[in-house]
Amino acid sequence: GQSLEQPSEVTAVEGAIVQINCTYQTSGFYGLSWYQQHDGGAPTFLSYNALDGLEETGRFSSFLSRSDSYGYLLLQELQMKDSASYFCAVRRSNDYKLSFGAGTTVTVRA
Amino acid sequence: KAGVTQTPRYLIKTRGQQVTLSCSPISGHRSVSWYQQTPGQGLQFLFEYFSETQRNKGNFPGRFSGRQFSNSRSEMNVSTLELGDSALYLCASSKGLTNTGELFFGEGSRLTVL
Repeated sequence: GQSLEQPSEVTAVEGAIVQINCTYQTSGFYGLSWYQQHDGGAPTFLSYNALDGLEETGRFSSFLSRSDSYGYLLLQELQMKDSASYFCAVRRSNDYKLSFGAGTTVTVRA
Repeated sequence: KAGVTQTPRYLIKTRGQQVTLSCSPISGHRSVSWYQQTPGQGLQFLFEYFSETQRNKGNFPGRFSGRQFSNSRSEMNVSTLELGDSALYLCASSKGLTNTGELFFGEGSRLTVL
């Protein structure tokens, strides 16, 4: 099964803030990444947290807490174009394999 | 510069057949990884290649195989197709075996097995 857990769906209105949580059971990893995938498109890289704390990139921010086995992606000032699936991912340090969460579908309503 | 290119984009096969999918990475990228994506399952890691060597392999049966050529282009093959192999197969490239997870994905090859 998945070692990374994410909510399956989130719905919000334009201009709102959405937080997508990612909890993991992987014992060791190099960092937490986030990807965005629009329906029918290729996943695109959004952010990477190697260390605990908050990383901000425009309207999107990502957070990691290794002690809590938890991270999140924060989407601010939501726009219709943010409707997509969002995946968290880690590269595990024990076998160097890339592992992805099942994804969270974000739907932005007018 | 050109992105990751996957061919074919769509294909339909029947059970028992085999299929070969191709991936051309971004110029200068030497690492290629493959993923299977099905609804509700996210991206399942298949293999990872770097400099023509398989560096890592996911938990898929031996029917799934791959290789990488000297120009970094990669192919994956699925033999004796089963209905459950219907999925979007994604290829991603990076300059090296990055820890950052910053992968550049192609748009995928959508396989339907009838």
